[in-house]
Amino acid sequence: GENVGLHLPTLSVQEGDNSIINCAYSNSASDYFIWYKQESGKGPQFIIDIRSNMDKRQGQRVTVLLNKTVKHLSLQIAATQPGDSAVYFCAENIQLKLVFGAGTILRVKS
Amino acid sequence: DAGITQSPRYKITETGRQVTLMCHQTWSHSYMFWYRQDLGHGLRLIYYSAAADITDKGEVPDGYVVSRSKTENFPLTLESATRSQTSVYFCASRETGPSGYTFGSGTRLTVV
Repeated sequence: GENVGLHLPTLSVQEGDNSIINCAYSNSASDYFIWYKQESGKGPQFIIDIRSNMDKRQGQRVTVLLNKTVKHLSLQIAATQPGDSAVYFCAENIQLKLVFGAGTILRVKS
Repeated sequence: DAGITQSPRYKITETGRQVTLMCHQTWSHSYMFWYRQDLGHGLRLIYYSAAADITDKGEVPDGYVVSRSKTENFPLTLESATRSQTSVYFCASRETGPSGYTFGSGTRLTVV
């Protein structure tokens, strides 16, 4: 597959540990934020989303936190597994279009 | 990727040639999008369409043309390919609400 993550920040975690991936966004008018996971050779896959009127949302093993004061978004993955290894992107919804961040590589060590 | 299909999966073309990337979705989603993905840039929006015969430019539209004569198809054409257009191209569609975005598997385009 392609190596789209060559110049991206990398987070390495031990299997079973929790992972925290951070993202800064730019537009105060963004009303919706989404985290995507992208595995090598595949398109982005939806993980979890959060509206701007919320500061926390939980899914299965994942939690998204939104801090509008500092325009910061984070994705927490509990009990990280080898299958979580991928590139993770945050995206903000601006006027019906998604604008993506550069991404973070997550590597899980067994 | 069931429901949204991109073709071809891989394409090598020469500088100056015209090339068309295809995108087909089976859900009758109103919105369709084309993104390109390059090292260190995440995904950047090229063009999008809100419905058949309605298209609009995204962040990086120069050198590209789109059309949407049918709801289910959204082809992307590079009229005269350049090496800077070497990239991975993703098509996406959604109905209501941005959480409904679904991406295709991508087309890896190399311009030599």
